[in-house]
Amino acid sequence: AQTVTQSQPEMSVQEAETVTLSCTYDTSESNYYLFWYKQPPSRQMILVIRQEAYKQQNATENRFSVNFQKAAKSFSLKISDSQLGDTAMYFCAFMLFSSNDYKLSFGAGTTVTVRA
Amino acid sequence: DSGVTQTPKHLITATGQRVTLRCSPRSGDLSVYWYQQSLDQGLQFLIQYYNGEERAKGNILERFSAQQFPDLHSELNLSSLELGDSALYFCASSRGWGETQYFGPGTRLLVL
Repeated sequence: AQTVTQSQPEMSVQEAETVTLSCTYDTSESNYYLFWYKQPPSRQMILVIRQEAYKQQNATENRFSVNFQKAAKSFSLKISDSQLGDTAMYFCAFMLFSSNDYKLSFGAGTTVTVRA
Repeated sequence: DSGVTQTPKHLITATGQRVTLRCSPRSGDLSVYWYQQSLDQGLQFLIQYYNGEERAKGNILERFSAQQFPDLHSELNLSSLELGDSALYFCASSRGWGETQYFGPGTRLLVL
């Protein structure tokens, strides 16, 4: 079974500054996808970014970027120019591509608070 | 708006009762997934359907069941409800295998 670990329960950042969230995962497989989802106070789960393990280039979506270190099994999320609307819980998720179910395995989440 | 709809948004019921949660996937999506989010268990995968067929089961209790209908909407049935079943239940959908899952707004279930 794959496990996903987010070691930072809470983080606080000043508006316009940068924050980095950590995520590590454990798998013996080589073909998988990684995701970051955001859950604001509305509780909606919103996709932030996706990374295919076979791609060496780190994914980027506007102010969100990842640092994917496959050998270290690390997948961190960097939020640049933080905005008040970025306040949310962020979940790292793992999906094994070679299985029959393609379920998402989630970490425990990191609560990010952006201060004005 | 992800395009995935879930009804109802909130549900309050008593122990021992049965409820049905409904999910309509995004247009064109064939896969539906159900997840449970609770304070003590976090986000847990329950079950997956693909084009009407069950594909995988996760940590789903025997009191829970689901199905996906020919029009691709899905229902999650929870019976003999217990206090510990109180949680946020999400439905997600994807085009096919191994594609990005988009989540609905969730159904918040409270068992009293």
